[in-house]
Amino acid sequence: EADIYQTPRYLVIGTGKKITLECSQTMGHDKMYWYQQDPGMELHLIHYSYGVNSTEKGDLSSESTVSRIRTEHFPLTLESARPSHTSQYLCASSESRVAGAGELFFGEGSRLTVL
Amino acid sequence: KQEVTQIPAALSVPEGENLVLNCSFTDSAIYNLQWFRQDPGKGLTSLLLIQSSQREQTSGRLNASLDKSSGRSTLYIAASQPGDSATYLCAVLYNFNKFYFGSGTKLNVKP
Repeated sequence: EADIYQTPRYLVIGTGKKITLECSQTMGHDKMYWYQQDPGMELHLIHYSYGVNSTEKGDLSSESTVSRIRTEHFPLTLESARPSHTSQYLCASSESRVAGAGELFFGEGSRLTVL
Repeated sequence: KQEVTQIPAALSVPEGENLVLNCSFTDSAIYNLQWFRQDPGKGLTSLLLIQSSQREQTSGRLNASLDKSSGRSTLYIAASQPGDSATYLCAVLYNFNKFYFGSGTKLNVKP
């Protein structure tokens, strides 16, 4: 059972609002990821982190930002939400420091609607 | 650029049928390959993980095989049930930084 949690599960907000999507994992994994996925479409990597104080942009350009101050916490922030940000955001984590590891675990996702 | 392809994009079968989902990848130097299930509006649930040194993994009615030399993996589902209806995705890990996902196979098992 994966121990990775995302809040909120659903969020409807107006244009221009600042939002933060929370992601926490209790497995002590070093790697964490944010993916964006529109309904019925592919996953796109928007941010990832190798560990504390390490963050990188992914393959899909995103106006969001992330931080990794603690191992277990990887929040994603949109400073000014727009309707184009409407999507599902999926957080994931994996462990790379143990031989034979590398399994990816996902949270339940945060579905964001910007009006 | 590493690419992961899944065929077919959609599959509809009657209940009880055995079926095979395919995943192909362009670069054989993988670290591992993982199969996931995704229900509508939900996150991805890990089904099976195959390390590069392994040929197959089994869990219940699911069996996943890996052939690195041909760049292919298959997910075999035995005696399919309506509850198996979901989208199945494969993901390949080439290094410890990024996973590459296929676009998925949407499975519908009819009662």
